[in-house]
Amino acid sequence: NAGVTQTPKFRVLKTGQSMTLLCAQDMNHEYMYWYRQDPGMGLRLIHYSVGEGTTAKGEVPDGYNVSRLKKQNFLLGLESAAPSQTSVYFCASVASGRGYEQYFGPGTRLTVT
Amino acid sequence: GDSVTQMEGPVTLSEEAFLTINCTYTATGYPSLFWYVQYPGEGLQLLLKATKADDKGSNKGFEATYRKETTSFHLEKGSVQVSDSAVYFCALSLSGAGNMLTFGGGTRLMVKP
Repeated sequence: NAGVTQTPKFRVLKTGQSMTLLCAQDMNHEYMYWYRQDPGMGLRLIHYSVGEGTTAKGEVPDGYNVSRLKKQNFLLGLESAAPSQTSVYFCASVASGRGYEQYFGPGTRLTVT
Repeated sequence: GDSVTQMEGPVTLSEEAFLTINCTYTATGYPSLFWYVQYPGEGLQLLLKATKADDKGSNKGFEATYRKETTSFHLEKGSVQVSDSAVYFCALSLSGAGNMLTFGGGTRLMVKP
């Protein structure tokens, strides 16, 4: 049982390049989330999904797209990277129902130059 | 909207000192409350939780009690260790909202030998 895994762990992009971050969970969780963490700003929700084939915007969705084609995977895409997207990205998942905790992946550190 | 406020850090303590990190919340319903911990270079891990008023969550010597009358969920530990140095996040979630977490800004704890 690997929990929540993220690929890659580190990435450096040039401005305007694109990339996809992959999140996978093996706990059969319904809900999945993408956050970014910036120094002094805590975690901010980018997008989330409440089930396979569904996605919704969070607090800071601009510049990102997501897809949830399979229940266990949640992809975060950057179509044209900008320096403002330099951050640490965390994926999380949780079972549906009240009071369950979110499980977090180890994070992806992205630098856009 | 829903929000979580926690004391700003950093909090610097000597080993074996008593720890309190204050957390208060505002929510439209009856939230579940969580404390997460983030060690350097890692993702967030659940430390403890409480799902209804007067519940006490506890783990690894840490405790927090869900106080509905004061809308608080303060984190305490009687004797901190150097290994407790980390960033602590208070968070709430409401059922029916995709189990989304609303985070406080985080409190960095530094414990000196």
